[in-house]
Amino acid sequence: QSVLTQPPSASGTPGQRATISCFGNSSNIGDNFVYWYQQLPGAAPKLLIYRNNQRPSGVPDRFSGSKSGTSASLAISGLRSEDEADYYCAAWDDSLSAVAFGGGTKVTVL
Amino acid sequence: QVQLVQSGAELKKPGASVKVSCKASGYNFTNFYMHWVRQAPGQGLEWMGIINPSGGATSYAQQFQGRFMMTTDTPTSTVFMELRSLRSEDTAVYSCARGRVDVPTNWGPGTLVIVSS
Repeated sequence: QSVLTQPPSASGTPGQRATISCFGNSSNIGDNFVYWYQQLPGAAPKLLIYRNNQRPSGVPDRFSGSKSGTSASLAISGLRSEDEADYYCAAWDDSLSAVAFGGGTKVTVL
Repeated sequence: QVQLVQSGAELKKPGASVKVSCKASGYNFTNFYMHWVRQAPGQGLEWMGIINPSGGATSYAQQFQGRFMMTTDTPTSTVFMELRSLRSEDTAVYSCARGRVDVPTNWGPGTLVIVSS
């Protein structure tokens, strides 16, 4: 049971927009930054979004993050086949004194 | 360029211990924290703990306290993790990940640890 809650799957056709939600509480998302990772099949996770909505250099602007209260979301616009991956949200949890991860969302491009 | 090189795969029997190394390069080793995260086959990410290479202070996830330890060797820019009293449920890929104090940002390739009799 993950501390942060994500839908197990999301999908869309090429060119569409996909959105992944991440729900937490006041101890994690409500009080700390949210981060998003992309994990391609067989690869290590890669930082996609930091501090709620910032993109590291090299991450396409098709990826965007937002946060409101105790929830956050990742949007992928203009879906491409190479976006098929697992996506994880994360935030520090003050009550647990630990990094909290979401359970991951598998994105499929139909 | 940040590079994290981890030791090779391990096969351990239940009750044994495993030690995995993570050698960092391409940045000032003592300026960033190092996290350890594991991922069981087909499962999500599970945070294990964090170590500050500058001084060696550690913080462990509650579920691992007592059988998990992280250490550093600053001269070689290497971080180690040791997990004791292994059980089959500990079969996973163990990854070091450089980061801020709150989350990891740059992940190593991972080390597969298989626990089987």
